[in-house]
Amino acid sequence: QSVLTQPPSVSGAPGQRVTISCTGSSSNIGAGYHVHWYLLLPGTAPKLLIYDNNNRPSGVPDRFSGSKSGTSASLAITGLQAEDEADYYCQSYDSSPSAVVFGGGTKLTVL
Amino acid sequence: QVQLVESGGGVVQPGRSLRLSCAASGFTFSSLGFHWVRQAPGKGLEWVALIWYDGSNTYYTNSVKGRFTISRDSSKNTLYLQMNSLRAEDTAVYYCARDVGTFGSSSGSRFDYWGQGTLVTVSS
Repeated sequence: QSVLTQPPSVSGAPGQRVTISCTGSSSNIGAGYHVHWYLLLPGTAPKLLIYDNNNRPSGVPDRFSGSKSGTSASLAITGLQAEDEADYYCQSYDSSPSAVVFGGGTKLTVL
Repeated sequence: QVQLVESGGGVVQPGRSLRLSCAASGFTFSSLGFHWVRQAPGKGLEWVALIWYDGSNTYYTNSVKGRFTISRDSSKNTLYLQMNSLRAEDTAVYYCARDVGTFGSSSGSRFDYWGQGTLVTVSS
């Protein structure tokens, strides 16, 4: 299983707010390493959504936000839109062993 | 514009080898580190390997150590992944990704551009 734990799925109606959690441990998120979030649509290249816990790259709508506390991080999406339906992954660094680590991914369904 | 284009995927028998390539354009290739990340069918993203901007250091996930080799040719703006002794569990879409962070720092690696991926199927 993945070093970072995400819920397999979340859902929400258009216009609603959803959050996706990402739980790690003392060797990754809890050690202070930053968390980054990616969106993955079938057949397309992954897209960076949030970097360094709570920063948005240019072009990412402010409906997307990130936070981090202790050994966990969260991605929040407000004003849900049909186009938000995708898989979302968190990513960080783990010091034991030295490795990039991903969450297992969360499938967002817009009802 | 930044482009990463993978190639070299295909169907290969267990135990055989395959080399993936990732052609980069639209930026200064030699100034950044690169990674390979894979996604097995129905599974999540899995980090595979990293090479520093100057090729001086490489890192691998445990399951590919001793079998896979990441390398780069800055004269060709191309990243490679040599995969030997392939196993069924290596079947996946392989992505190359550009690292604009710093591996091992508090911010760590982060990937701002990815390729579209190339499918590797290991099957007899």
